[in-house]
Amino acid sequence: EVQLVESGGGLVKPGGSLTISCTASGFTFINAWMSWVRQAPGKGLEWVGRIKSKADGGTAGYAAAVNGRFTMSRDDSKNTVYLQLNGLETDDTAVYYCATRATRVGGGFDYWGQGTLVTVSS
Amino acid sequence: QSVLAQPPSVSAAPGQKVIISCSGSSSNVEKNFVSWYQQLPGSAPKLLIYDNDKRPSGIPDRFSGSKSGTSATLAITGLQTGDEADYYCGTWDRSLTAGVFGGGTKLTVL
Repeated sequence: EVQLVESGGGLVKPGGSLTISCTASGFTFINAWMSWVRQAPGKGLEWVGRIKSKADGGTAGYAAAVNGRFTMSRDDSKNTVYLQLNGLETDDTAVYYCATRATRVGGGFDYWGQGTLVTVSS
Repeated sequence: QSVLAQPPSVSAAPGQKVIISCSGSSSNVEKNFVSWYQQLPGSAPKLLIYDNDKRPSGIPDRFSGSKSGTSATLAITGLQTGDEADYYCGTWDRSLTAGVFGGGTKLTVL
């Protein structure tokens, strides 16, 4: 059974930093592209970024709203992907979901974590 | 303002059919696979349709997807009260080099 478990959310002041994690199981993590999607309170889904598998270059790409402030990384030995959030703004307040299609070819996200809430407030 | 346009809400009676539209452009919907998600209150999104018209295992055939040009649609037949949820379309945008979602459509089963 595929599981994605996010952790590390919390309350942080504007301008602050936080690192959230997503630990995966049930599929061959090393071959999977991993993504982060966020949802502000009462709002829709917003793609944050994705990191490719190392076999596909291991590079990360980001939405314009977070580019330069957020950084994704992965540790394949721990089946974990990280999202480092720097320069946080109140508009970054959201539930952050980890998502992946595992090793299926094509588009879409088959699997989602339960989400971790990041609140940016003074 | 979302890159993909969806109606904010749709409604229909139990047993009826509803269609949710997702309008994009040549840099996203037209050239890339579209997926659809259902989000029940308080839950993570759930994949309903991927690659325009494919259903993951376990998704009933009441849910179907299609795409033509720069628009995609999700059709739900035999509506049930349990289908009340928010529905989102998503795809990749080649110009933005980013994933994009529609603003979401709230389905009410009257």
